[in-house]
Amino acid sequence: GESVGLHLPTLSVQEGDNSIINCAYSNSASDYFIWYKQESGKGPQFIIDIRSNMDKRQGQRVTVLLNKTVKHLSLQIAATQPGDSAVYFCAENIGYGGATNKLIFGTGTLLAVQP
Amino acid sequence: GAGVSQSPSNKVTEKGKDVELRCDPISGHTALYWYRQSLGQGLEFLIYFQGNSAPDKSGLPSDRFSAERTGGSVSTLTIQRTQQEDSAVYLCASSLDLTGGRGAAEAFFGQGTRLTVV
Repeated sequence: GESVGLHLPTLSVQEGDNSIINCAYSNSASDYFIWYKQESGKGPQFIIDIRSNMDKRQGQRVTVLLNKTVKHLSLQIAATQPGDSAVYFCAENIGYGGATNKLIFGTGTLLAVQP
Repeated sequence: GAGVSQSPSNKVTEKGKDVELRCDPISGHTALYWYRQSLGQGLEFLIYFQGNSAPDKSGLPSDRFSAERTGGSVSTLTIQRTQQEDSAVYLCASSLDLTGGRGAAEAFFGQGTRLTVV
């Protein structure tokens, strides 16, 4: 079936270090991917997205890399800060541009930033 | 509104009772989604609306779950004869219409409704 999974359920980093959160997806038809950040007690918040015609996209302190060959997605956070502590989800868009549309989310990775 | 609004924020109900969860999407967003999130888990897709119609309701766990959307805006998720396994946070999201190749847009989430069935 369709699934998006994360390699590392928990990631602990030191403040100021770079963080890399990985994600594997299984649906080769997916062509749009999003990273979300979810803080405790809140709904997921959009971080960055990427379409399958790209392999890299940069935002403010964040970079998403897409490797379609191995169906792998990663989120890089530069100079990680305590405020980055949250659960990070990758999501793939099933049916983008078609007659229907939904996001399939992975289990999530907890990023814990140590001061 | 400024964001996606869900109500109630918390709901405790007795097993066997029916509950209604409400979602007010961002004004102008034609796509609306319901997800369920169990403690420490990812987001489980329930149903997707495009306008008032639901082209994809494949994620609804059972026939006790139903959802409707009226006026292309407010949506309600109804759970009949609630069971303890229904306890979770129910999240609603909305986005611009992504169908027809009009381009991708992120989904904006509400704060969720925490449902506890006792």
